[in-house]
Amino acid sequence: GQQLNQSPQSMFIQEGEDVSMNCTSSSIFNTWLWYKQDPGEGPVLLIALYKAGELTSNGRLTAQFGITRKDSFLNISASIPSDVGIYFCAGQINSGGSNYKLTFGKGTLLTVNP
Amino acid sequence: NAGVMQNPRHLVRRRGQEARLRCSPMKGHSHVYWYRQLPEEGLKFMVYLQKENIIDESGMPKERFSAEFPKEGPSILRIQQVVRGDSAAYFCASSPGVGTEAFFGQGTRLTVV
Repeated sequence: GQQLNQSPQSMFIQEGEDVSMNCTSSSIFNTWLWYKQDPGEGPVLLIALYKAGELTSNGRLTAQFGITRKDSFLNISASIPSDVGIYFCAGQINSGGSNYKLTFGKGTLLTVNP
Repeated sequence: NAGVMQNPRHLVRRRGQEARLRCSPMKGHSHVYWYRQLPEEGLKFMVYLQKENIIDESGMPKERFSAEFPKEGPSILRIQQVVRGDSAAYFCASSPGVGTEAFFGQGTRLTVV
């Protein structure tokens, strides 16, 4: 089955710094999604990308859908303490009737020091 | 409009007991998905259900696990004769249609002792 390699596994940064994390896959995905999970909570969708090459922003967050459709990155600018959490990438294929199934990366644990 | 509601939030079971996890989708959503998250791992797809139908259970273990989404009431994920390896967070998500954005619940954390 598809696998997503997400890196880095964890990051420790100072408040105000920018952050970048990425996901790569050996398979093509038609949709890339980025989620944030707070401790004891479910994942919350941050950004959805539907087209190769697409660059989308949501406040201080920017994500891109790679041209090859096998990778995506997420940037967070001017980090703040509430950015702490685990960030997951997820891919979705839209063929063979499987356009509902999400494949998740293992997550990037972000710690922001005030 | 309440989000996806899962209960219980935490569940402790002894080995060999049964675990029943409940999920009420968002209002107007008829598509339900269950995912499992092992410690320090991403979520893994288990099963996709529509009202009264299992559409895809390819991610669910063949034995001891079952899921249903009856015409009335919540979706239920049932694990019989639990073992320590079943300890994980189980998340339910719902969507209004196939391929549309799915919203996740807060999860049920199952601990098998």
